[in-house]
Amino acid sequence: AQSVAQPEDQVNVAEGNPLTVKCTYSVSGNPYLFWYVQYPNRGLQFLLKYITGDNLVKGSYGFEAEFNKSQTSFHLKKPSALVSDSALYFCAVRAYFGNEKLTFGTGTRLTIIP
Amino acid sequence: EAQVTQNPRYLITVTGKKLTVTCSQNMNHEYMSWYRQDPGLGLRQIYYSMNVEVTDKGDVPEGYKVSRKEKRNFPLILESPSPNQTSLYFCASSLGTPVEQYFGPGTRLTVT
Repeated sequence: AQSVAQPEDQVNVAEGNPLTVKCTYSVSGNPYLFWYVQYPNRGLQFLLKYITGDNLVKGSYGFEAEFNKSQTSFHLKKPSALVSDSALYFCAVRAYFGNEKLTFGTGTRLTIIP
Repeated sequence: EAQVTQNPRYLITVTGKKLTVTCSQNMNHEYMSWYRQDPGLGLRQIYYSMNVEVTDKGDVPEGYKVSRKEKRNFPLILESPSPNQTSLYFCASSLGTPVEQYFGPGTRLTVT
């Protein structure tokens, strides 16, 4: 069975500092990987995805993520945090082959401190 | 405007009273899905549909039904709701699965 782990429920970062939100996954074969963000009282919004190719993926709002196959990780990063980045972040995985099921992590609440 | 709509947005009901949450998308997407979001558990997929008349179970399908008679609509049916189905529900759609999903605004369901 596929799974996603987001080991930190809460991450606090000072404004202007780099941020990292961690994600590790387990899936049979190669993965499709996604990051979504949820602002208060809103649905989820897509940030970025890894399908194949370059291990460093760039997405919306200046975010990027690095796919590391050996560590089965897909950490979300941003060089300089903004207060407006404060939100709930979800990592998700789908197997490259097989059914179309998409599995999300439990989420990480990111708070950027002014 | 491209969007996924859900109705109702808020619903309070009693145990055992059948209910339907509607979901509609105007983007001609093949893939649609339902999720529930619970504190500490993240999003869990209930059912998904690859196209009209094609549906499959997600991770937590028990107590739910879906149908996909038209491409744009994907209603979620709770035939006999129970308090453990109190949750925030999201519908989503996409052109497929290795692409981004578009989420609706959510339906907050309370079953007493």
